[in-house]
Order: sequence, then C-alpha cells, then structure tokens
Amino acid sequence: SQQGEEDPQALSIQEGENATMNCSYKTSINNLQWYRQNSGRGLVHLILIRSNEREKHSGRLRVTLDTSKKSSSLLITASRAADTASYFCATDINAGGTSYGKLTFGQGTILTVHP
Amino acid sequence: DTGVSQDPRHKITKRGQNVTFRCDPISEHNRLYWYRQTLGQGPEFLTYFQNEAQLEKSRLLSDRFSAERPKGSFSTLEIQRTEQGDSAMYLCASSLRSFFANEQFFGPGTRLTVL
Repeated sequence: SQQGEEDPQALSIQEGENATMNCSYKTSINNLQWYRQNSGRGLVHLILIRSNEREKHSGRLRVTLDTSKKSSSLLITASRAADTASYFCATDINAGGTSYGKLTFGQGTILTVHP
Repeated sequence: DTGVSQDPRHKITKRGQNVTFRCDPISEHNRLYWYRQTLGQGPEFLTYFQNEAQLEKSRLLSDRFSAERPKGSFSTLEIQRTEQGDSAMYLCASSLRSFFANEQFFGPGTRLTVL
C-alpha cells in the first residue's frame, strides 16, 4: 500500500491563481519530496524538504512540512497553463537515521490550469 | 543528453512471452531504482541497486521478475511469462547515495502492454 494520501485528487483553476495540494503520510520520514509528471512521461523532481525543516521555497513553489501531523503541502503561486500535470508527494522513510533510498509515492493530484 | 534513458519506450507483447527493459542511469549515480506505475496511481517501488548490489526488493517483485545491474552501470529488468496484470509503466530512476537526502532522477519510462 502507498504511504502518502494526497488531497485533492483533482484540482482545476484559472491561470494566475494559486494551487495548493496536500499530502499525508503514516511513518517517520527522513525527507519528503514533490514530483511532477506530465501525461505519460517520467517524473520530474520539484523540491525536497528534510524532516527537520518546516518550510522551503523554490521559485513559485512553497512546501511546508508538519511532522507532528505527518502532513505536507505544496503551493504553486501564479499558476500557468504549463503547470498542468500530476503532482506526487514521495516519502523517504526513516530507517534508523539513514536514507533507505527508496521512495513511497502518494496517488497524486491532477492539476489543470486553464488559460 | 545526460539524463536517465530507458529502452524501449513502448513494448507490446503477448501473454506468456518474456520481455526485458534497459535503463541507463546518470553516469556518476551509484543508486538505481525500478518502479512500476499503473494508470491513475503513483509509482510503486520494485527494487534498487547500490552499484552492482541489489539491496532491496519489494514483495511486488514476484519470481517472474528479475533485475540486474552488472558492473554497476546500466540495469535490466526482465519479466518472464508475462501476464495481463503486468501491463504498466516501468520507471527507472537514479541518484547519488547520500546520508541526508535522496533526490531521484527519473527516466521517461517503458510502457508495457500485455495482450
């Protein structure tokens, strides 16, 4: 079974609006990552946040992490039509402090940005 | 192009046939991962290698599946006696081993259709 649960499953917005996606997970993690996937393509790494970090920014992306609630959110500001894609959170599970390497993905949020 | 490459991009086969996929990771990356993704789901971990050693295998990887990474470079994933349930996108990713983080770089995937 997959560790992450993402919400919403689908999100439809207008260009220029902000998009927020949420991810919840079950076990202790080393880090949490967000990936984007365009239809039928491979995944592209967006941002990584470590378990001891609470917020991280990268361009128009803002990620928060609340380890007490085992949840994370991804905010895309000033969205563009090119942001249309599926977005996945992935957790790197804590195995005694070291990174196992393998990622456990959520089911993803399908984001559609209308021009 | 110095990214992760996968070959073939598409494979259609008949049930019962064997198939083999190849992944070429980013050259300096010592970790290599295989994931499987079905429609509407996030990727699910199958196995990973550190250099030539296969360090973990998911229970999703039945006896019909075998993966190798000779000399710690490219990797192959073979599925024997394919079944219709094997139809999926098979994704390969690579990364550098790190105590702190594990950003993975994905290839474009091989889409397998079993008739």
